Order: sequence, then structure tokens, then C-alpha cells
Amino acid sequence: AQKVTQAQTEISVVEKEDVTLDCVYETRDTTYYLFWYKQPPSGELVFLIRRNSFDEQNEISGRYSWNFQKSTSSFNFTITASQVVDSAVYFCALSEGWGGSYIPTFGRGTSLIVHP
Amino acid sequence: GAVVSQHPSRVICKSGTSVKIECRSLDFQATTMFWYRQFPKQSLMLMATSNEGSKATYEQGVEKDKFLINHASLTLSTLTVTSAHPEDSSFYICSARVETGGYTFGSGTRLTVV
Repeated sequence: AQKVTQAQTEISVVEKEDVTLDCVYETRDTTYYLFWYKQPPSGELVFLIRRNSFDEQNEISGRYSWNFQKSTSSFNFTITASQVVDSAVYFCALSEGWGGSYIPTFGRGTSLIVHP
Repeated sequence: GAVVSQHPSRVICKSGTSVKIECRSLDFQATTMFWYRQFPKQSLMLMATSNEGSKATYEQGVEKDKFLINHASLTLSTLTVTSAHPEDSSFYICSARVETGGYTFGSGTRLTVV
């Protein structure tokens, strides 16, 4: 069974629109970490956020915000007022175990295209 | 922060030759590193776990004789694609776990076998 589901394969928006990328995960562990990474066309993985299973507080970082809801096993990512530079593939990942000791399992990724 | 340096970033090789990809932890010691493979427009798939001073652990379906992994020091892991063929063309990324939790990734190597 897939542990991390990113149902949206590709999202296309116009600059300045808000966009939410969905991530649903599956685990039996009570201790785990969730991550979001950005992969621009150049290929490198850029770390965006790490959240542990005991911290359900939503987080905001500039135009980025994350909504973690254990009740629905979701960790969604919203970009406010999107920009062309936000165009990339975004991966959600799950690392189970204490301290995220188990290596991350990645979702299939969501390709975000922001048009000028 | 913890940085993993991966080289080369791009390599083109002829079919039948071998290619070595290096992954170095620059400011921390990484007893364990991970190698991922990513096909175009797909997710990262874990290939193997590289352990310093011992044999690598390969995921099911990954040919250990094709993808040789060596982790000779606490800061260096190498992946050698032996007798490369066009189907080995892919994007390879290494990763290491950092003490503060989470994982840091190399910048990736785009391998093209012609």
C-alpha cells in the first residue's frame, strides 16, 4: 500500500493565485515525521519543512503554509500569491519511527506550473 | 546546515562503460547514506542503504552487481553503475540522515547512457 499519496499529478495556475498541494499519508506508527521538498527543473531537492507527529500546529513561512491534520492523515501545503519561480515538482515524504529514524518514503510528487 | 555534495551533476557515457557517482558529507559524518533513483516525472525510489565499513543493503529488485556501492569513510559513499546501458539512464540522488533529524540530499546526478 502506498504510504504517501499525492493525488494531484499536475496543477496549473496563473501567477498570484493561491494553490494547495494535497498530501495524505498512511502509517501505524505513533511517532513519525512528514516532509515537503521542492524539486525545481535543475533537479536538486530543496527542503521546505519537517513536522513531527506530535506537533499539529500549522506553520506559515512567508507565502508558504502547511496544514497538518492527524484526524485525516493529511499534511497539505499552500502557496499564497504564487509566482513563476514556484514552478517545480513538490514531494511530500513520510519518515516513520522515533526521530524519523526510518528513511523517507516519497509520494509521486505534484508538478506545479505557474503561468505569468 | 548539513550539506551533502554529489558529483558529477551530469554524465554521459557509452553503453558498456562504468560510471562512478560520489556523495560526500561536507560538515558532518554520515555513517549511513542512501541512494535513490528517479525516472522522468516519477518519484524517488530508494535503491540501497550505504553503511560505512560494511556491505550496502539493497532494496528488492535492485541488482547489487549492477549498482556497486562503497562507503569507505564516514564522509564518502560512491555508487558505480557497471556496464551501463540506456535503460540505466536516470537521475540518481544520494541522501544522508542528519543528527537533528530529517535528511539532507545531494544535488543529484543525471546519467545518460548512449
